[in-house]
Amino acid sequence: DQQVKQNSPSLSVQEGRISILNCDYTNSMFDYFLWYKKYPAEGPTFLISISSIKDKNEDGRFTVFLNKSAKHLSLHIVPSQPGDSAVYFCAASVLNSGNTPLVFGKGTRLSVIA
Amino acid sequence: GAVVSQHPSWVICKSGTSVKIECRSLDFQATTMFWYRQFPKQSLMLMATSNEGSKATYEQGVEKDKFLINHASLTLSTLTVTSAHPEDSSFYICSARGQGSDNSPLHFGNGTRLTVT
Repeated sequence: DQQVKQNSPSLSVQEGRISILNCDYTNSMFDYFLWYKKYPAEGPTFLISISSIKDKNEDGRFTVFLNKSAKHLSLHIVPSQPGDSAVYFCAASVLNSGNTPLVFGKGTRLSVIA
Repeated sequence: GAVVSQHPSWVICKSGTSVKIECRSLDFQATTMFWYRQFPKQSLMLMATSNEGSKATYEQGVEKDKFLINHASLTLSTLTVTSAHPEDSSFYICSARGQGSDNSPLHFGNGTRLTVT
């Protein structure tokens, strides 16, 4: 049973437009969420995170929105650039429960077309 | 920021042989490291939690005798795939947090692509 779901395996966006990647979770204990970016044959790189006390966190072109009641979060990238083309993973964990691992979604492959 | 180094980045081995993958924290001490595995088009699945100086904790369905984990120091954890079979072919990634920061993001190594022929 997947606790973190990314239902869109792929997404194509024109350069300069907004990319919206979605993520749903089922475990109501999760209170810390992260987005990672991954290039082929490399490990994931941390992008941005949000804790459940917030509903929005912004860092440059990247903004993460959290809707706790819907158990849904999204990553907005604007403007999208060709270098953003990668697989994006949503991850979740429970804060203050010790050094716990992250639970990942299956990822969404973003292609930004020039 | 915290850097995690993983070696080798890729390895091809024959069925029945063993392969050792190293994971090092380069600029911090990691009492805990996590080993993940990723099959094509699948999520990163946690295999085990490696604890310095004690036995690893394995996730359900992961054979501890097949995937040997040793975390002998605060900067090194190793994963040995013993008697490898073609179905063990996968992308193995280790990760860790900086020491004393349980809530910080995990930092990942670059992964090891294992192909068993």
